[in-house]
Amino acid sequence: KAGVTQTPRYLIKTRGQQVTLSCSPISGHRSVSWYQQTPGQGLQFLFEYFSETQRNKGNFPGRFSGRQFSNSRSEMNVSTLELGDSALYLCASSSEREADTQYFGPGTRLTVL
Amino acid sequence: QKEVEQNSGPLSVPEGAIASLNCTYSDRVSQSFFWYRQYSGKSPELIMSIYSNGDKEDGRFTAQLNKASQYVSLLIRDSQPSDSATYLCAVHGAGRRALTFGSGTRLQVQP
Repeated sequence: KAGVTQTPRYLIKTRGQQVTLSCSPISGHRSVSWYQQTPGQGLQFLFEYFSETQRNKGNFPGRFSGRQFSNSRSEMNVSTLELGDSALYLCASSSEREADTQYFGPGTRLTVL
Repeated sequence: QKEVEQNSGPLSVPEGAIASLNCTYSDRVSQSFFWYRQYSGKSPELIMSIYSNGDKEDGRFTAQLNKASQYVSLLIRDSQPSDSATYLCAVHGAGRRALTFGSGTRLQVQP
């Protein structure tokens, strides 16, 4: 079974721009969660989607948003990029049978200049 | 107080030794506990999950959980240089649909 895939793997943007990241979960997994990882803050939860609905949200500003499609693929968007948004953005998926167990994709490395 | 605490390390052990990684958590109602391994520049990889008090073994890895002490540990037997990585402890609280991660412990296995 293929793992979680994320595109693109690397992105370079400038301040003020916006960016969209994509995630395809493991086949059959309907829950997708997004995390931000930085050296200073570690891994922090952004939001979680299930059946196209956001079920849970972390403590991030409204510039960070997401959505999920009917095929469970998910996208996250960051608007008005700031230097501090430079991070590894990780997507994780889980099944309904093992809802707590999350499997991570390779991540998207975002650099904001 | 951080919700999930780990010693950042580095923890240095010789090849063949037992590496012991520790984690404490603050939310008493936490139900699920996970250990992830993360190599530099890579994403976290699930190693073990544990839900009940006691030990759970999987190959060279043993996870230990003590809910009364709010303590989770990971033992790596016969440590290999390829085990050198950052080990992340993650906790899933009751009613929450997100993992809370510790800052990770960097393990170095010396050949």
